[in-house]
Amino acid sequence: DGGITQSPKYLFRKEGQNVTLSCEQNLNHDAMYWYRQDPGQGLRLIYYSQIVNDFQKGDIAEGYSVSREKKESFPLTVTSAQKNPTAFYLCATQGIGRTEAFFGQGTRLTVV
Amino acid sequence: KNQVEQSPQSLIILEGKNCTLQCNYTVSPFSNLRWYKQDTGRGPVSLTIMTFSENTKSNGRYTATLDADTKQSSLHITASQLSDSASYICVVSANSGYALNFGKGTSLLVTP
Repeated sequence: DGGITQSPKYLFRKEGQNVTLSCEQNLNHDAMYWYRQDPGQGLRLIYYSQIVNDFQKGDIAEGYSVSREKKESFPLTVTSAQKNPTAFYLCATQGIGRTEAFFGQGTRLTVV
Repeated sequence: KNQVEQSPQSLIILEGKNCTLQCNYTVSPFSNLRWYKQDTGRGPVSLTIMTFSENTKSNGRYTATLDADTKQSSLHITASQLSDSASYICVVSANSGYALNFGKGTSLLVTP
């Protein structure tokens, strides 16, 4: 909520396929993040971006890729190299001053 | 290594009762601490955010405390309601960069 739109809400992927999760924001925030959430675990950082055309790997970047061509958009691609992609994926944004982070409603990805 | 530890891992209380959740952290240098509420299958929503100089902050029936000396925070929920059933996540931010350090959350179940 708060101006962050993630889509789709549910996504099914066949083994060997790449899929792309969308994250769009209208908050004019500089920083955008992608997290993965598994049952019983905290959120783990996949990638983050502080400015357009620049992004950094997080703790679990292997098998994922991102782009930041526009300030409003930070799509995440889950590649076939990600061996266990079934999880809940959350996108977040943070503005100048880093006082508060806002989250999207998440995308649940399932491998079938 | 920056770490955030939350306790208890899970909690069951009767409707109308109070409860307190704990968060200990080792993040340094400290910037701010946030409590989020996450309903099942949805993105986290901010409850409170506190900086170094703030000891207490309230948001309705939610009251957060911060002791920056001992690096401890608590979230107190008063007169619990069924809708309080959710996961409560403590997030600590360091002054350096945009990194957010997440606890694993406390799963709260409020029963009739």
